[in-house]
Amino acid sequence: KQEVTQIPAALSVPEGENLVLNCSFTDSAIYNLQWFRQDPGKGLTSLLLIQSSQREQTSGRLNASLDKSSGRSTLYIAASQPGDSATYLCAVRESGSRLTFGEGTQLTVNP
Amino acid sequence: GAGVSQSPSNKVTEKGKDVELRCDPISGHTALYWYRQSLGQGLEFLIYFQGNSAPDKSGLPSDRFSAERTGGSVSTLTIQRTQQEDSAVYLCASSPLGGKADTQYFGPGTRLTVL
Repeated sequence: KQEVTQIPAALSVPEGENLVLNCSFTDSAIYNLQWFRQDPGKGLTSLLLIQSSQREQTSGRLNASLDKSSGRSTLYIAASQPGDSATYLCAVRESGSRLTFGEGTQLTVNP
Repeated sequence: GAGVSQSPSNKVTEKGKDVELRCDPISGHTALYWYRQSLGQGLEFLIYFQGNSAPDKSGLPSDRFSAERTGGSVSTLTIQRTQQEDSAVYLCASSPLGGKADTQYFGPGTRLTVL
């Protein structure tokens, strides 16, 4: 059974800092990996989707990498802002329809 | 265009009552998913609908849970004889084709509290 782990569970940084969120998964037979953002009381917003054949994806200040063979992904956030404060979730897609999620990293960026 | 919408946004019910949660997917999306987010459990897959195919119900935790999708659009998740452990946020998502490369678009969720 696939297990997804996110480290750290919570992170607090000053504004402007670059940071890395980590995600690991136990079964490397995945189709893709997706990073989401969740704000309190809201649904999930997709940030980046990396197909299994890709190594990284970039969107603005966000960069996600995928090392499928080692079962790891990182989300890099450059020049963090208070508006980046949210919970960040990674999820993997295997055969079939479901996404398997990690428990998230709660990020706080302090002004 | 409009995103995925869910209703109600909050639902408080008494143990033993039945509840219905509604999801309106993005227009034209053929795939629809239900997930549950509980404290300490993270996000769990419940059920998946793809077009006219038989739904993947493998994530439903018990036979008290059922879901249907009428006309390939709106979906209703029904929980019978609710228990306190059913308290969670129920999230719905849709995707254009349901393919493995698809991005899933999530609604805001329904927060269910069972007293």
